[in-house]
Parts: sequence; structure tokens; C-alpha cells
Amino acid sequence: EPEVTQTPSHQVTQMGQEVILRCVPISNHLYFYWYRQILGQKVEFLVSFYNNEISEKSEIFDDQFSVERPDGSNFTLKIRSTKLEDSAMYFCAIRTGTSKPDTQYFGPGTRLTVL
Amino acid sequence: GENVEQHPSTLSVQEGDSAVIKCTYSDSASNYFPWYKQELGKRPQLIIDIRSNVGEKKDQRIAVTLNKTAKHFSLHITETQPEDSAVYFCAASSTDSWGKLQFGAGTQVVVTP
Repeated sequence: EPEVTQTPSHQVTQMGQEVILRCVPISNHLYFYWYRQILGQKVEFLVSFYNNEISEKSEIFDDQFSVERPDGSNFTLKIRSTKLEDSAMYFCAIRTGTSKPDTQYFGPGTRLTVL
Repeated sequence: GENVEQHPSTLSVQEGDSAVIKCTYSDSASNYFPWYKQELGKRPQLIIDIRSNVGEKKDQRIAVTLNKTAKHFSLHITETQPEDSAVYFCAASSTDSWGKLQFGAGTQVVVTP
């Protein structure tokens, strides 16, 4: 199983502040995803990223959100002005795109708490 | 867009019994159906998946069945053990849509010794 790390594991921020969540796949992958999970609820798709650009995004992924891969390895999710309802677990996922083209593997997640 | 319904929301079973979780999907273009297990505070972990060209797949005590005509798929866990206790999520995706996963609401499985 491909290894994916995420930092930080827990982020506490004040409403209105910007946060950057990071995902670091250990080896090169082509497809990246961000999902979020509000406590006790299902996992929700936010955005997919392929070939250094957004390929698809959900209604949740509004202008407050952005993604980039600034240095060819880290994959980041930025929330510009956090709201209380942004409190959730944020998972990065990668897709190998090789022998099992559809399979997605999730990172350990970042717990975001907005106060 | 795709909508995935999952039932039941909670499932209690005695150790050694079988557990069955059912999901339905709405988009006939969906062709990939993974199941994830999530323990408290942990990441979703893929346990088994099935593609639309296959009707059934088995991996030790876990099996998944797919009925494309009825648009439903099921997870079967046999000989349940306490370590099977977790939340299980089904999901669906179409490779035409860059692979985004649409998840069901989850099933809390509790296996009592």
C-alpha cells in the first residue's frame, strides 16, 4: 500500500484565519484528492488534482479553498478564511493509476478545529 | 450526480456470525465500488473493491457482490471477530469522472464476544 503522510495531525485555528494542510506522498503519483469528514458523518469529496491542475471539484470546494503542488512533492489544501463549519477531518488520498488504476489510498488525516 | 445509499446504519452481531451491509447507487456510469473500514480516529482503509465487469469477489472472510442491473452491491463478513468492529463505508466512482469517490453514510458494526 502506498504511503501517504499528512501534516499537521491536528490544527486549531481561529475563525477567519488561513490554514494550509499538507499531504506528502512517499513516491510519485499522478492523481491526488482531498476529502473531508465532519465528526460522525460520511466522507465527502472536495477536489481532485491531476497533472498539476484541478480536474474536478465539489460544491463544498468554493472560493475559500485552493489546492496546489508547489514543489512537485507536497500537495496542499488551503482554506483562506476558516469558518466554524470547516471543522472536520481532512484526508488526502492518492491513486496509483497503474496496476489498480482506480484504487485510492488515504492519508492519516488532519483534524481541523475552528474556534 | 451519483448518490450512494447504505444500510443499515448500525449492525450488532455475535462473534462468529455473519454481517451483511448493503449499498445502492444511482449513476449507471459508476464502475468501481470500494469498501473502506474506519476505526475510531483513523483513516479509511480499503478492505476490498470490485469493478463492474465482475459480479463477486472474495478475500478470506470478506466478500463483495455486485448487481449492476439493480444498482446495488453488498459486503459480507463471515465468522466475525471483535476486531471487525468499526465503521464500514461503501463508495462508488466512475473512471469517467476523474475517480472521485462518492461515499455512503457508513455502517457502525459492533461484534460482541
